[in-house]
Amino acid sequence: GENVEQHPSTLSVQEGDSAVIKCTYSDSASNYFPWYKQELGKRPQLIIDIRSNVGEKKDQRIAVTLNKTAKHFSLHITETQPEDSAVYFCAGSLREKLVFGKGTKLTVNP
Amino acid sequence: KAGVTQTPRYLIKTRGQQVTLSCSPISGHRSVSWYQQTPGQGLQFLFEYFSETQRNKGNFPGRFSGRQFSNSRSEMNVSTLELGDSALYLCASTLAGGQGEQFFGPGTRLTVL
Repeated sequence: GENVEQHPSTLSVQEGDSAVIKCTYSDSASNYFPWYKQELGKRPQLIIDIRSNVGEKKDQRIAVTLNKTAKHFSLHITETQPEDSAVYFCAGSLREKLVFGKGTKLTVNP
Repeated sequence: KAGVTQTPRYLIKTRGQQVTLSCSPISGHRSVSWYQQTPGQGLQFLFEYFSETQRNKGNFPGRFSGRQFSNSRSEMNVSTLELGDSALYLCASTLAGGQGEQFFGPGTRLTVL
């Protein structure tokens, strides 16, 4: 079955710096890769997703890149702000089953 | 539209008991997935239901079961509770299943003593 590894588990950056979170997946048939943000005490929310026929997708300060050959994908957050502090989860999907990474706790220091 | 709701929000049980959690998806959504969230393991997939049928199942023991009703509401049941079952149980709904944004509920915090 699918396995998704996520690194790092914690990340601390200064406000205004960039943050990068990386994930690898095991099932080459996986074709959908969403990223979810979970603020403390709140439910996860989708922030961006990418499908396997696309190499990169951007949405304002957030971008995701996908390397199908290497089976890894990354989340890039530029110009980080304190409100970006949260736990970020990557996931891989084949059909209806989403397999999540274990999460990255991002702290943006003012 | 109202979001995904889950009841109860908090639950305290003792070992050996059983528990039933409920999830009401967004109106019109027909797919409901369940996840177990723990600090060390992140979000782990339990199962997914679509039109009252279980389409996918994660790697959890048979003590974990679920069902979906004709109105798309879903329940999950955990029998013979163990201490390790203490977790936040989240459900999420999507319009038709498949790959798309999953809308999560607030979760049910289960504590097993």
